[in-house]
Amino acid sequence: AQTVTQSQPEMSVQEAETVTLSCTYDTSESDYYLFWYKQPPSRQMILVIRQEAYKQQNATENRFSVNFQKAAKSFSLKISDSQLGDAAMYFCAYRRNTGGFKTIFGAGTRLFVKA
Amino acid sequence: NAGVTQTPKFRVLKTGQSMTLLCAQDMNHEYMYWYRQDPGMGLRLIHYSVGEGTTAKGEVPDGYNVSRLKKQNFLLGLESAAPSQTSVYFCASRSDSYSNQPQHFGDGTRLSIL
Repeated sequence: AQTVTQSQPEMSVQEAETVTLSCTYDTSESDYYLFWYKQPPSRQMILVIRQEAYKQQNATENRFSVNFQKAAKSFSLKISDSQLGDAAMYFCAYRRNTGGFKTIFGAGTRLFVKA
Repeated sequence: NAGVTQTPKFRVLKTGQSMTLLCAQDMNHEYMYWYRQDPGMGLRLIHYSVGEGTTAKGEVPDGYNVSRLKKQNFLLGLESAAPSQTSVYFCASRSDSYSNQPQHFGDGTRLSIL
Protein backbone atom coordinates (compact mmCIF):
# COMPACT_ATOMS: atom_id res chain seq x y z
CA ALA A 1 0.00 0.00 0.00
CA GLN A 2 1.13 3.50 -0.72
CA THR A 3 2.08 5.73 2.20
CA VAL A 4 3.10 9.36 2.56
CA THR A 5 5.31 10.50 5.43
CA GLN A 6 5.90 14.04 6.62
CA SER A 7 8.51 13.76 9.35
CA GLN A 8 8.30 17.37 10.55
CA PRO A 9 5.13 18.04 12.58
CA GLU A 10 6.10 21.72 12.91
CA MET A 11 8.51 24.11 11.25
CA SER A 12 9.34 27.74 11.82
CA VAL A 13 10.81 30.35 9.49
CA GLN A 14 11.67 34.01 9.71
CA GLU A 15 9.81 36.31 7.37
CA ALA A 16 11.66 36.77 4.03
CA GLU A 17 13.76 33.64 4.56
CA THR A 18 13.56 30.23 2.90
CA VAL A 19 12.18 27.05 4.39
CA THR A 20 11.99 23.48 3.11
CA LEU A 21 9.28 21.02 4.11
CA SER A 22 10.05 17.32 3.73
CA CYS A 23 7.92 14.55 2.31
CA THR A 24 8.70 10.95 1.48
CA TYR A 25 6.40 8.36 -0.01
CA ASP A 26 6.36 4.67 -0.64
CA THR A 27 5.03 3.16 -3.83
CA SER A 28 5.80 0.42 -6.32
CA GLU A 29 4.20 2.43 -9.13
CA SER A 30 6.28 4.33 -11.69
CA ASP A 31 3.55 6.66 -12.94
CA TYR A 32 1.96 8.89 -10.35
CA TYR A 33 1.31 12.43 -9.22
CA LEU A 34 2.44 14.34 -6.17
CA PHE A 35 0.82 17.40 -4.64
CA TRP A 36 1.36 19.95 -1.92
CA TYR A 37 -1.75 21.48 -0.35
CA LYS A 38 -1.90 24.42 2.01
CA GLN A 39 -4.49 24.70 4.77
CA PRO A 40 -4.55 28.13 6.45
CA PRO A 41 -6.50 28.76 9.67
CA SER A 42 -9.61 29.30 7.55
CA ARG A 43 -9.50 25.50 6.93
CA GLN A 44 -9.76 25.87 3.16
CA MET A 45 -7.51 23.36 1.38
CA ILE A 46 -5.60 25.06 -1.42
CA LEU A 47 -3.40 23.41 -4.03
CA VAL A 48 0.10 24.85 -3.89
CA ILE A 49 1.95 22.82 -6.48
CA ARG A 50 1.87 19.49 -8.30
CA GLN A 51 4.44 17.24 -9.93
CA GLU A 52 4.03 14.51 -12.53
CA ALA A 53 6.40 11.61 -11.83
CA TYR A 54 7.33 11.24 -15.49
CA LYS A 55 8.68 14.79 -15.57
CA GLN A 56 12.28 15.20 -14.48
CA GLN A 57 12.01 18.96 -14.18
CA ASN A 58 11.00 20.19 -10.75
CA ALA A 59 7.73 22.12 -10.65
CA THR A 60 7.72 25.77 -9.61
CA GLU A 61 4.92 28.21 -8.82
CA ASN A 62 6.20 31.69 -8.01
CA ARG A 63 7.86 31.45 -4.56
CA PHE A 64 7.08 27.73 -4.25
CA SER A 65 9.23 25.01 -5.76
CA VAL A 66 9.77 21.32 -5.24
CA ASN A 67 12.77 19.04 -5.13
CA PHE A 68 11.51 15.80 -6.64
CA GLN A 69 13.88 12.85 -6.21
CA LYS A 70 12.11 9.89 -7.80
CA ALA A 71 14.68 7.26 -6.92
CA ALA A 72 14.73 8.38 -3.31
CA LYS A 73 10.93 8.79 -3.30
CA SER A 74 11.30 12.26 -1.88
CA PHE A 75 9.20 15.33 -2.65
CA SER A 76 10.18 18.40 -0.62
CA LEU A 77 8.60 21.84 -0.83
CA LYS A 78 10.73 24.96 -0.75
CA ILE A 79 9.14 28.29 0.11
CA SER A 80 11.31 31.29 -0.75
CA ASP A 81 10.92 34.80 0.64
CA SER A 82 8.48 33.53 3.26
CA GLN A 83 5.52 35.75 4.04
CA LEU A 84 3.21 35.92 7.05
CA GLY A 85 0.43 34.59 4.85
CA ASP A 86 2.38 31.38 4.29
CA ALA A 87 1.68 30.32 7.86
CA ALA A 88 -0.50 27.24 7.52
CA MET A 89 -0.64 23.48 7.65
CA TYR A 90 0.97 21.90 4.58
CA PHE A 91 0.00 18.47 3.33
CA CYS A 92 1.93 16.32 0.91
CA ALA A 93 -0.21 13.99 -1.19
CA TYR A 94 0.23 11.11 -3.66
CA ARG A 95 -2.00 9.63 -6.31
CA ARG A 96 -1.13 6.91 -8.77
CA ASN A 97 -2.07 7.42 -12.40
CA THR A 98 -3.68 4.13 -13.46
CA GLY A 99 -6.82 3.52 -11.45
CA GLY A 100 -5.87 6.38 -9.18
CA PHE A 101 -9.23 7.25 -7.69
CA LYS A 102 -7.81 7.88 -4.24
CA THR A 103 -5.30 10.45 -3.04
CA ILE A 104 -3.10 9.55 -0.08
CA PHE A 105 -2.25 12.40 2.30
CA GLY A 106 0.57 12.82 4.76
CA ALA A 107 -0.07 13.87 8.36
CA GLY A 108 0.90 17.47 7.63
CA THR A 109 3.51 20.00 8.71
CA ARG A 110 2.47 23.14 10.51
CA LEU A 111 4.52 26.13 9.37
CA PHE A 112 4.95 29.18 11.59
CA VAL A 113 6.26 32.42 10.09
CA LYS A 114 7.93 34.89 12.45
CA ALA A 115 7.79 38.60 11.75
CA ASN B 1 -18.10 30.01 -8.77
CA ALA B 2 -19.38 28.19 -5.71
CA GLY B 3 -17.09 25.16 -6.21
CA VAL B 4 -17.66 22.65 -3.41
CA THR B 5 -20.19 23.61 -0.74
CA GLN B 6 -20.62 21.78 2.53
CA THR B 7 -23.53 22.14 4.91
CA PRO B 8 -23.65 22.59 7.82
CA LYS B 9 -20.38 24.26 8.83
CA PHE B 10 -20.71 23.40 12.53
CA ARG B 11 -22.82 20.92 14.43
CA VAL B 12 -22.98 19.52 17.94
CA LEU B 13 -24.65 16.18 18.45
CA LYS B 14 -25.37 13.94 21.38
CA THR B 15 -24.17 10.35 21.36
CA GLY B 16 -26.61 8.16 19.47
CA GLN B 17 -28.12 10.92 17.37
CA SER B 18 -28.06 10.75 13.61
CA MET B 19 -27.31 13.37 11.02
CA THR B 20 -26.43 13.88 7.39
CA LEU B 21 -23.71 16.10 5.97
CA LEU B 22 -24.37 17.47 2.52
CA CYS B 23 -21.76 18.15 -0.14
CA ALA B 24 -22.66 19.88 -3.39
CA GLN B 25 -20.37 20.68 -6.30
CA ASP B 26 -21.14 22.71 -9.39
CA MET B 27 -18.12 21.73 -11.50
CA ASN B 28 -19.67 18.62 -13.08
CA HIS B 29 -17.00 16.45 -11.44
CA GLU B 30 -17.34 12.68 -11.60
CA TYR B 31 -15.34 11.87 -8.48
CA MET B 32 -16.35 12.90 -4.97
CA TYR B 33 -14.81 12.14 -1.59
CA TRP B 34 -15.46 12.42 2.12
CA TYR B 35 -12.49 12.80 4.49
CA ARG B 36 -12.11 13.32 8.18
CA GLN B 37 -9.27 15.38 9.60
CA ASP B 38 -7.93 14.70 13.08
CA PRO B 39 -4.87 16.29 14.72
CA GLY B 40 -1.64 14.56 13.72
CA MET B 41 -3.38 12.21 11.29
CA GLY B 42 -3.87 14.28 8.18
CA LEU B 43 -6.83 13.53 5.97
CA ARG B 44 -8.29 10.05 6.07
CA LEU B 45 -10.67 8.86 3.39
CA ILE B 46 -14.06 7.71 4.65
CA HIS B 47 -15.95 6.94 1.42
CA TYR B 48 -15.74 8.00 -2.16
CA SER B 49 -17.72 7.89 -5.39
CA VAL B 50 -16.56 7.63 -8.98
CA GLY B 51 -19.91 8.51 -10.48
CA GLU B 52 -23.60 8.97 -9.90
CA GLY B 53 -25.10 5.96 -8.16
CA THR B 54 -21.73 4.52 -7.13
CA THR B 55 -19.96 4.52 -3.76
CA ALA B 56 -16.94 2.77 -2.31
CA LYS B 57 -15.29 2.41 1.08
CA GLY B 58 -12.18 4.30 1.96
CA GLU B 59 -9.74 3.92 4.80
CA VAL B 60 -12.10 4.55 7.75
CA PRO B 61 -15.68 3.73 6.65
CA ASP B 62 -17.08 2.20 9.85
CA GLY B 63 -19.97 4.13 11.36
CA TYR B 64 -20.64 6.11 8.18
CA ASN B 65 -22.84 5.67 5.13
CA VAL B 66 -22.95 7.63 1.91
CA SER B 67 -25.18 8.16 -1.09
CA ARG B 68 -24.67 9.72 -4.51
CA LEU B 69 -28.13 9.87 -6.03
CA LYS B 70 -27.29 12.94 -8.10
CA LYS B 71 -23.97 13.67 -9.71
CA GLN B 72 -23.58 17.00 -7.98
CA ASN B 73 -24.38 15.79 -4.45
CA PHE B 74 -22.59 13.43 -2.08
CA LEU B 75 -24.18 12.81 1.31
CA LEU B 76 -22.41 11.48 4.39
CA GLY B 77 -24.57 9.96 7.10
CA LEU B 78 -23.91 9.11 10.71
CA GLU B 79 -26.59 6.69 11.87
CA SER B 80 -25.66 6.65 15.56
CA ALA B 81 -23.06 9.25 16.41
CA ALA B 82 -20.20 8.34 18.74
CA PRO B 83 -17.66 10.62 20.48
CA SER B 84 -14.92 9.05 18.32
CA GLN B 85 -16.56 10.67 15.32
CA THR B 86 -15.80 14.14 16.63
CA SER B 87 -13.72 15.59 13.82
CA VAL B 88 -13.57 18.04 10.95
CA TYR B 89 -15.10 16.58 7.81
CA PHE B 90 -14.09 17.61 4.33
CA CYS B 91 -15.75 16.92 1.05
CA ALA B 92 -13.77 17.05 -2.18
CA SER B 93 -14.40 16.55 -5.85
CA ARG B 94 -12.24 15.97 -8.88
CA SER B 95 -12.58 15.81 -12.62
CA ASP B 96 -11.91 12.49 -14.29
CA SER B 97 -10.81 14.13 -17.51
CA TYR B 98 -7.12 14.30 -16.66
CA SER B 99 -5.41 12.15 -14.04
CA ASN B 100 -3.22 14.97 -12.79
CA GLN B 101 -6.13 17.11 -11.70
CA PRO B 102 -6.13 18.16 -8.03
CA GLN B 103 -9.07 17.77 -5.74
CA HIS B 104 -11.26 20.74 -4.94
CA PHE B 105 -12.27 20.94 -1.32
CA GLY B 106 -15.16 22.37 0.62
CA ASP B 107 -14.60 24.52 3.69
CA GLY B 108 -15.17 21.66 6.10
CA THR B 109 -17.73 20.79 8.76
CA ARG B 110 -16.71 20.80 12.40
CA LEU B 111 -18.68 18.09 14.15
CA SER B 112 -18.66 17.55 17.91
CA ILE B 113 -20.26 14.52 19.52
CA LEU B 114 -20.97 14.86 23.23
